[in-house]
Amino acid sequence: GAVVSQHPSWVICKSGTSVKIECRSLDFQATTMFWYRQFPKQSLMLMATSNEGSKATYEQGVEKDKFLINHASLTLSTLTVTSAHPEDSSFYICSARTQTTGSLNTGELFFGEGSRLTVL
Amino acid sequence: AQSVSQHNHHVILSEAASLELGCNYSYGGTVNLFWYVQYPGQHLQLLLKYFSGDPLVKGIKGFEAEFIKSKFSFNLRKPSVQWSDTAEYFCAVYNSGTYKYIFGTGTRLKVLA
Repeated sequence: GAVVSQHPSWVICKSGTSVKIECRSLDFQATTMFWYRQFPKQSLMLMATSNEGSKATYEQGVEKDKFLINHASLTLSTLTVTSAHPEDSSFYICSARTQTTGSLNTGELFFGEGSRLTVL
Repeated sequence: AQSVSQHNHHVILSEAASLELGCNYSYGGTVNLFWYVQYPGQHLQLLLKYFSGDPLVKGIKGFEAEFIKSKFSFNLRKPSVQWSDTAEYFCAVYNSGTYKYIFGTGTRLKVLA
């Protein structure tokens, strides 16, 4: 199956610094990638949809200037948490969708390993 | 707003017991339905999916799910669980109109050997 790799898997940073998380599709081209945030004992919350070559589409309540998303190529999307604060500590997961032949409306998601961010 | 409900947050079973995890969604249009599983320390991965056709879907590792449109449900079942099924299970709905996936809160399954 398709492989999505996320890096780093965990990161600890000081309050006020910025952290970049990378999401790569290793053996397929992903025109669309999704960034999720998962709180303990809660579901995955969609933060934004990242489209290659265009601006990301953010969900309501997600700060665009706080969570910068760049999808510069068909195999790489990055999430940068700017001026991180302790409340940004969370588990961030990316996923990519393959496109089945002849249809843009179906396709399972392939997930990265997730990145656990701890802001001190 | 579209939502997905998983009624059981934690389930503990003994090996060989039967499993059924509930999943209900709220959306009246065409949906694609998924169950994903996350084993300890691993990625989320697809267990099974329903797009159309036979509402009884068979997935990997002996899992199956039944889509009941009238009940807006997509329950996951396995007749006999194994210790290796210990994981967290997420139901998800893909809305082909909005191109968005909505996940349930997950069910943490622990199978006792």
